[in-house]
Amino acid sequence: GDSVTQMEGPVTLSEEAFLTINCTYTATGYPSLFWYVQYPGEGLQLLLKATKADDKGSNKGFEATYRKETTSFHLEKGSVQVSDSAVYFCALSPGTASKLTFGTGTRLQVTL
Amino acid sequence: SAVISQKPSRDICQRGTSLTIQCQVDSQVTMMFWYRQQPGQSLTLIATANQGSEATYESGFVIDKFPISRPNLTFSTLTVSNMSPEDSSIYLCSVLQGLYGYTFGSGTRLTVV
Repeated sequence: GDSVTQMEGPVTLSEEAFLTINCTYTATGYPSLFWYVQYPGEGLQLLLKATKADDKGSNKGFEATYRKETTSFHLEKGSVQVSDSAVYFCALSPGTASKLTFGTGTRLQVTL
Repeated sequence: SAVISQKPSRDICQRGTSLTIQCQVDSQVTMMFWYRQQPGQSLTLIATANQGSEATYESGFVIDKFPISRPNLTFSTLTVSNMSPEDSSIYLCSVLQGLYGYTFGSGTRLTVV
C-alpha cells in the first residue's frame, strides 16, 4: 500500500539556518503530495502541495519539489525563524477524492 | 476554503464512558474524514463519513467502537465508545473541497482516565 517516510526529529536549528526535512514515498501511479504544519496546540494547516512530477510547491518561504525519479518531496527553507517551530507532516493522496496517508511527522525547533 | 468548527476542543473522560465529537462545516462538502493522532505519532484515518449511508472504516477500526453519523453535507459526529486510556488521542475532522484540497478542524484532545 501507499506509505510516506519522513526523517526523524526533532530537528533543532538556529534562527536563519537552512532547513531540509526529507520525505520519500511509495505509491502507485502519480499521487499528489503535500506538506502540512501543526503549530503547538493547533490543528493541521496545509503548507504547500504539488500534484505532478517536477511541480514545485511554495508558501511562506518553504519549498518542495515533486521528484518522481527519486520518489521524494523534501521540504526546504532558506532561513528559518523561531515562529517556524512546529511539527511538519508529509502526506500523499493517490487520487482527487482519496484519503491522505501521512508520514510520522518531524518536529522542528528553532532557537535564537 | 471551508471553515470547520469542531467540538469539544478537549475533554477528560472516565474509562467505560463514551464521547461524541461534532464537526460542523460552513459549506456543503461531499467528502468528510475522521482521523486519530495518538500522542507523539502521525495521523491515522479512522473512516470516511458518507452522507446518507454508513461510514467506510479503515482496517483496524470498527463501527461499534467508533460510530459515525453524517446526517447532511455540513455536519458529522464521531463517537468514541467504551473508552479506555488507549483511546487518549487527538481526533480530527477533515473535509475535501475541490481546488482547496483538504482542510482540517482544530481537533479534539481526549484524555481517558
